[in-house]
Amino acid sequence: SQQGEEDPQALSIQEGENATMNCSYKTSINNLQWYRQNSGRGLVHLILIRSNEREKHSGRLRVTLDTSKKSSSLLITASRAADTASYFCATPRSGGSYIPTFGRGTSLIVHP
Amino acid sequence: DTGVSQNPRHKITKRGQNVTFRCDPISEHNRLYWYRQTLGQGPEFLTYFQNEAQLEKSRLLSDRFSAERPKGSFSTLEIQRTEQGDSAMYLCASRSRVGDTEAFFGQGTRLTVV
Repeated sequence: SQQGEEDPQALSIQEGENATMNCSYKTSINNLQWYRQNSGRGLVHLILIRSNEREKHSGRLRVTLDTSKKSSSLLITASRAADTASYFCATPRSGGSYIPTFGRGTSLIVHP
Repeated sequence: DTGVSQNPRHKITKRGQNVTFRCDPISEHNRLYWYRQTLGQGPEFLTYFQNEAQLEKSRLLSDRFSAERPKGSFSTLEIQRTEQGDSAMYLCASRSRVGDTEAFFGQGTRLTVV
């Protein structure tokens, strides 16, 4: 079963604006990962945030994690047309081996 | 290139034919995953290897699907008697043997069954 779900499903913004995507999950996790996928390509790892971390930065990316609400957010600041892609959060499947599971993603379009 | 490598990148096959895909993980990554992704969806887990042992298989992995990782390095995914519903992107990912780490993905193999 799906563990994480991204919201919104689609987001359209102008270059220079900030983009915020959210991820909600169902069971306790050790960590959460965010990925980007350009059309027809593989997934590119962006950030891993652990359950004992509340916020993490990487360049123009900021990820937050609220374990009490079982949610995470990905903020892309000063967006560029090249940020146009689908963004996925991955959370470990509950039980058994560590299996990253994905939602349907957020499709981001940044207009130049 | 030291990333995850998948071959071929594209495969077109006729219904009923068998196909095999290869994944070369990042060197020394002992954990390897196969996923399937269809248009507009996120990757769906198929199977997981730790070294050469296949530890997890999804119910999506029907009898027509088989995966191997004979020496704990590269892996193959074979689909027998392909069906049009098998058309998808097949993604491979690997993770380090050490600790709580990220999974790195290859570029995928796009399968089209005609």
